[in-house]
Amino acid sequence: SAVISQKPSRDICQRGTSLTIQCQVDSQVTMMFWYRQQPGQSLTLIATANQGSEATYESGFVIDKFPISRPNLTFSTLTVSNMSPEDSSIYLCSVERGTNEKLFFGSGTQLSVL
Amino acid sequence: GESVGLHLPTLSVQEGDNSIINCAYSNSASDYFIWYKQESGKGPQFIIDIRSNMDKRQGQRVTVLLNKTVKHLSLQIAATQPGDSAVYFCAESSGGSYIPTFGRGTSLIVHP
Repeated sequence: SAVISQKPSRDICQRGTSLTIQCQVDSQVTMMFWYRQQPGQSLTLIATANQGSEATYESGFVIDKFPISRPNLTFSTLTVSNMSPEDSSIYLCSVERGTNEKLFFGSGTQLSVL
Repeated sequence: GESVGLHLPTLSVQEGDNSIINCAYSNSASDYFIWYKQESGKGPQFIIDIRSNMDKRQGQRVTVLLNKTVKHLSLQIAATQPGDSAVYFCAESSGGSYIPTFGRGTSLIVHP
């Protein structure tokens, strides 16, 4: 298993501002993933963050809106830039561990944009 | 019973009953399937997985059934408890990918 600390756990932000979400893992991992979960919906992958390279973004997500940092093998940040109410969601960090493909998730950041 | 609401489908059961949560997948190339449980205010948590070379796998109080012919996956929870109340997601992947496709999710409500 993996211990993943994500913060903040929740925030209420004003339109036009930016929020940076942090994800700390208890041991080194190669791949970290950022997901968005809109209210009552399933999980949508935003991007994959590998240490030492640019993040790989999924269709519909761009670096200018969701810049990601991955400075080392245990830490990553996701910034939600120039927020609008449509960005109100839960943002989840996840990692892969072990020899199979299952993911471990942080507890999420509940973001509300007014 | 089971119903489809404005957002997630909901399954309501009585404590002690067995629960069956269903999931249909579309990619015939998917070879690895996972069930996750997400409690309110938490991230998804791994429950059980199954590879496509199997049609059944059992864990503690949970069983996953895979029917590749009709591309259907189910999660059975025996003797459901109030602590099982959560949203359950199925996920599928293929070729060793760490990027699964998540299903819509089902909200399980267990009444004491």
